[in-house]
Amino acid sequence: QQQVKQSPQSLIVQKGGISIINCAYENTAFDYFPWYQQFPGKGPALLIAIRPDVSEKKEGRFTISFNKSAKQFSLHIMDSQPGDSATYFCAATKASGSYQLTFGKGTKLSVIP
Amino acid sequence: GAVVSQHPSRVICKSGTSVKIECRSLDFQATTMFWYRQFPKQSLMLMATSNEGSKATYEQGVEKDKFLINHASLTLSTLTVTSAHPEDSSFYICSARTPQANYGYTFGSGTRLTVV
Repeated sequence: QQQVKQSPQSLIVQKGGISIINCAYENTAFDYFPWYQQFPGKGPALLIAIRPDVSEKKEGRFTISFNKSAKQFSLHIMDSQPGDSATYFCAATKASGSYQLTFGKGTKLSVIP
Repeated sequence: GAVVSQHPSRVICKSGTSVKIECRSLDFQATTMFWYRQFPKQSLMLMATSNEGSKATYEQGVEKDKFLINHASLTLSTLTVTSAHPEDSSFYICSARTPQANYGYTFGSGTRLTVV
């Protein structure tokens, strides 16, 4: 049973456009929701993360929107650039303790000039 | 910021040999580290949770005798792929929870293992 569902699987956006990736989770015990960016041949790098006590968090061009009642969260990349082309993974876990991350299946983003 | 150093980045070995992958937390202590395996164009699959000073906890379906994990210190965890075969070829990644990142997770740069 996949606990974090991510969509779309792939996304093509023109330079300057908005990239939107959506995730839904099932486990109500999750209280930490990070997004990771991964370039080919590299490990994932933390992009931005949110706790369920806020509905939105913004860092530069990256924004997480969080809907606790719907158990959904999304990543918005404003003014998308070719350098943003990568695979993005949403994840969820419990903030305390040594719990592992549960990952979505990933979204391959391509930003075309 | 927190750094998790993983070595080697690439390794090619002959079938039947063993390969050791190291994961070090450079500026923090990690009582727990996680080992993942990633197939091309797929998500990360958790293999095991490595606990300092105790036995690792393996996920269902992961062979403990093939993927040996040792977490002998608070800054080093190792994954040894024993008697490697071509089907073990994959991208292996470690991670640790990092106090500096508000207890977020920091990942190593990954190890591309090719068994020939």
